[in-house]
Amino acid sequence: QVQLQESGPGRVKPSQTLSLTCTVSGDSVSNGDYFWSWIRQHPLKGLEWIGYINYSWTSYYNPSLKSRVTISLDTSKNQFSLKLSSVTAADTAVYYCARGSARHYFQHWGQGTLVTVSS
Amino acid sequence: SYELTQPPSVSVSPGQTARITCSGDALPKQYAYWYQQKPGQAPILVIYKDTERPSGIPERFSGSSSGTTVTLTISGVQAEDEADYFCQSADNSGTNFYVVFGGGTKLTVL
Repeated sequence: QVQLQESGPGRVKPSQTLSLTCTVSGDSVSNGDYFWSWIRQHPLKGLEWIGYINYSWTSYYNPSLKSRVTISLDTSKNQFSLKLSSVTAADTAVYYCARGSARHYFQHWGQGTLVTVSS
Repeated sequence: SYELTQPPSVSVSPGQTARITCSGDALPKQYAYWYQQKPGQAPILVIYKDTERPSGIPERFSGSSSGTTVTLTISGVQAEDEADYFCQSADNSGTNFYVVFGGGTKLTVL
């Protein structure tokens, strides 16, 4: 059974870089059938796709975040990571990692981790 | 940018049928997907490729598509179906690619 687990600091200071890691079990991030994705949800609001990466390091990002986002793979640890630079309070959200299919839907999600941007 | 529009809320009594719509210009060309999210939990996929239901999702959940609107129908609504529902699609027109979610619909079971 595929499982994903987010990890990283729960609080980041304004202007710093938010860094999160997703550890995958039950599948390999080298699996060419899937895209490894980050999605966030602002408090009491909707879902926002951040971006994703596949086994060949092809990546796509939300145009509204593209200038600040990097998603990368660590195949040796079966993980993928998110870096979001120059954060502000508007980046406070629950961050989810998810496995995306070739048809671009998400059947497996992590439990989510709340990241608060505050000094 | 591509947008998906959902009603903020839908209310039904137990046993009735709930219909949640999602509108977007690219929906005639792109599949839509539906997720259920309960408080404090990650979303769960309930419909994919407009009308398909993943294994383990009750048969009372169904999806349909007509032009620029897709609809999630929950027949014989149960109290446990009270949740937020989000539609999702993708846009790969031109040189851009991105995934988009609707704003979500809160389903209240009266």
